[in-house]
Amino acid sequence: DVKVTQSSRYLVKRTGEKVFLECVQDMDHENMFWYRQDPGLGLRLIYFSYDVKMKEKGDIPEGYSVSREKKERFSLILESASTNQTSMYLCASSWLDTQYFGPGTRLTVL
Amino acid sequence: SQKIEQNSEALNIQEGKTATLTCNYTNYSPAYLQWYRQDPGRGPVFLLLIRENEKEKRKERLKVTFDTTLKQSLFHITASQPADSATYLCALERAGGSYIPTFGRGTSLIVHP
Repeated sequence: DVKVTQSSRYLVKRTGEKVFLECVQDMDHENMFWYRQDPGLGLRLIYFSYDVKMKEKGDIPEGYSVSREKKERFSLILESASTNQTSMYLCASSWLDTQYFGPGTRLTVL
Repeated sequence: SQKIEQNSEALNIQEGKTATLTCNYTNYSPAYLQWYRQDPGRGPVFLLLIRENEKEKRKERLKVTFDTTLKQSLFHITASQPADSATYLCALERAGGSYIPTFGRGTSLIVHP
């Protein structure tokens, strides 16, 4: 079975802090994704990566950056956290059309 | 861009009945459509994929239909159980065949014992 893990289930940070969310997959998938999910807005794509050191902006990249130094690891970075970035963050990897999600990180920015 | 419509109101049904969820879309016709299940506080889990040239697909108690004329997919769970209670997300291929789906907002299903 594909396993996607995320570094934290719950995270509380202060406004202005730099925040790192880590994601690791164990299936050698080339494609990895970061989404945020908010009530009433559904899943929105922040960034994705087709390969190591490659990244592409998704639908809502503002305020975020990513890093992919190794194939299995994809990090989401909030350079200066703001209260409107309080959300559930979901990482996924994919094989062709199918996405495999991690358990999510619920981030609260105070 | 693609617009996906799923009923925002929860669907409440009795155990043993068939649950039917709807996914409507506008604009272009995607090459595939997927359904995912999401439990509270968890990531979505892939259930089924149906391609544009397939009318229907089944997996155990699940059945998905894909009507490209109506621009609609129906997701059925037969003999529903309380354990089927969850939010079900519809996802469509984005334009350009990028293997990146666009997700609907999901419909909550509540199966009462």
